[in-house]
Amino acid sequence: DIQMTQSPSSLSASVGDRVTITCRASQDISNYLAWFQQKPGKAPKSLIYAASTLHSGVPSRFSGSGSGTDFTLTISSLQPEDFATYFCQQYNGYPLTFGGGTKVEIK
Amino acid sequence: QVQLVESGGGVVQPGRSLRLSCAASGFSFSTYAMHWVRQAPGKGLEWVAVLSYDASLKYYADSVKGRFTISRDTSKNTLYLQMNSLRTEDTAVYYCARDLKEETRPTFDFWGQGTLVTVSS
Repeated sequence: DIQMTQSPSSLSASVGDRVTITCRASQDISNYLAWFQQKPGKAPKSLIYAASTLHSGVPSRFSGSGSGTDFTLTISSLQPEDFATYFCQQYNGYPLTFGGGTKVEIK
Repeated sequence: QVQLVESGGGVVQPGRSLRLSCAASGFSFSTYAMHWVRQAPGKGLEWVAVLSYDASLKYYADSVKGRFTISRDTSKNTLYLQMNSLRTEDTAVYYCARDLKEETRPTFDFWGQGTLVTVSS
């Protein structure tokens, strides 16, 4: 199975900050990488697929990059509604696997 | 608009069975592959199973293989997850999710709100 490792596991930031979350795959997954946002008690929301393509309706302050084994999710200017947990997911093959999550908290 | 509504969760004893349902609306259900993904309390996301749009292909996580069965009824626009021989470690919120058609490999676009399954004696 492909292991996905996210870092950091949590971070504290202020509104307006630039935030970067990293995700590393245990083997080459090309660009088959997605990002999701989850707020407490809610279902995940799809943000990005193919490492850098935003789903419809996702604000442009979110961006993704990377290929192979190393990927990043960047929020250019953190907004109050962005405080949440973020997960990466590889879909290079089955079983589909997720990173452990990064919780973005208010500083 | 796309809607996925799960139901069927509850409290069940270890070794018993439960069937989850996911009612789909707002899109052409018969043309999309569908997934189940679960999340244990306070934990991360775990993919459980996928079913192709025509029900010809199914894949399962090793943790549920042989115990869970994914199926669909296109006449009812509903996805199912039959869960047998339940274990305490199956306790989780179960989400159904629609496969993203824009990609040739499986990931998700829309998610349901989830249904909680608690396995406890």
